[in-house]
Amino acid sequence: KAGVTQTPRYLIKTRGQQVTLSCSPISGHRSVSWYQQTPGQGLQFLFEYFSETQRNKGNFPGRFSGRQFSNSRSEMNVSTLELGDSALYLCASRQDSAAGYEQYFGPGTRLTVT
Amino acid sequence: AQSVTQPDIHITVSEGASLELRCNYSYGATPYLFWYVQSPGQGLQLLLKYFSGDTLVQGIKGFEAEFKRSQSSFNLRKPSVHWSDAAEYFCAVGARNAGNMLTFGGGTRLMVKP
Repeated sequence: KAGVTQTPRYLIKTRGQQVTLSCSPISGHRSVSWYQQTPGQGLQFLFEYFSETQRNKGNFPGRFSGRQFSNSRSEMNVSTLELGDSALYLCASRQDSAAGYEQYFGPGTRLTVT
Repeated sequence: AQSVTQPDIHITVSEGASLELRCNYSYGATPYLFWYVQSPGQGLQLLLKYFSGDTLVQGIKGFEAEFKRSQSSFNLRKPSVHWSDAAEYFCAVGARNAGNMLTFGGGTRLMVKP
C-alpha cells in the first residue's frame, strides 16, 4: 500500500497570505489528523477528521482550519499567515478500527513564512 | 490532560553500545503509548506501541520498550546501536477517549559515535 502523501512538500509564503496543504491518507483509512512541529513548541495536535467530520481540535487559533472529503483526503488551511506559523505540518492517517490505534505519518509539508 | 516528558534532549552513544531512552507520562488511566523515530527532513515512523497486555513490547529495528505503570514510564531500549539509528525519537501518549489525538514528548536526539 502507498503511504500517506502530503503536497506540497515545501512552501514559502509571505505574512498575511493564506495557504492550503493537502493530505492523502493510506487507502482504506478514514481518519486523518494534523500536527504542527516547531523547534520551540515541538509536536502539537491541530485537529482530526473522520468521515468528513471534525472529531477533535487542538488549542490553535481559528486561523487554522481543515476539512475532509468523501474520499478521506484532507486539507488544512491557514489564513493570515504569521511568522510563527513557519513549521513542519504533518498529517497522519488511521484506519480507525476498534482493534488498533496506530497512526501513520506522512513526510510533512515544510512551510516557511517570510 | 495528559503529558509526556522525555528528560534527555540529547544522548550520544558509541556504535555497538546499548541504548535506553527515557519517557515518563502523566495520564489518569492506562494510556496508549508509542515511540516514533524521525530522521532529518522526514515524517515520523512508528517503532512500537503499547495498548494492553504484555508490558514488554517489541518493535521494528531491534527496539523494545517496557511499560511500568508504577513509574509512569515507557522507556525505549536497544541492545546494540547502529550508526543508522541516529535520529530524533519521540514518545507519545494517546488517551483512550480522545480519538486520535496524540500528545508528544519533546524528543530525544540520538547521536552515534563510530
